[in-house]
Amino acid sequence: KNEVEQSPQNLTAQEGEFITINCSYSVGISALHWLQQHPGGGIVSLFMLSSGKKKHGRLIATINIQEKHSSLHITASHPRDSAVYICAVYSGGGADGLTFGKGTHLIIQP
Amino acid sequence: KAGVTQTPRYLIKTRGQQVTLSCSPISGHRSVSWYQQTPGQGLQFLFEYFSETQRNKGNFPGRFSGRQFSNSRSEMNVSTLELGDSALYLCASSSTGTGNTIYFGEGSWLTVV
Repeated sequence: KNEVEQSPQNLTAQEGEFITINCSYSVGISALHWLQQHPGGGIVSLFMLSSGKKKHGRLIATINIQEKHSSLHITASHPRDSAVYICAVYSGGGADGLTFGKGTHLIIQP
Repeated sequence: KAGVTQTPRYLIKTRGQQVTLSCSPISGHRSVSWYQQTPGQGLQFLFEYFSETQRNKGNFPGRFSGRQFSNSRSEMNVSTLELGDSALYLCASSSTGTGNTIYFGEGSWLTVV
């Protein structure tokens, strides 16, 4: 069973700061998802990664398959980025579903 | 195109009752997966269906079941409800499965009293 660890659990930063959220997992995977959840429950998929790096607007996600580690970066952070960010991994092979980290609660203060 | 639709959004049930939740995926998506989210356990995988077949199942008791119809719509059922089943139940759809980009519904908030 894959174990997914996220850090930090909580993060408060000032508007404009560069944010990094980390995710480590214990068993090799075929895909990793970064998800965003706002108060009220709805979840938005930000990235799906199997290797390398992806960028969308101010968000950047990287993954190092050998080190079993991924990072989510937010550049020029804004109060609207305040949310819970969740890492989820898929081991593949059709036998398992997603395994989730416990999430990072991010607050961006104006 | 329309997103993932879950119904009902909110419901209150009594212990011992059963509940059925519905999920309509994005048009053309054949994979539907279900998740439970609680403050204590976070997000946990329940099961995934693809083309009407259960592809995999998480570590939940047999009281939790699901099915998928030929139009890819899916339902999950929880029988003999317990207080601990109070949670947000989310479904997600994907074209091929959770190894690809997934799209979540808004969720169904279940309270068991």
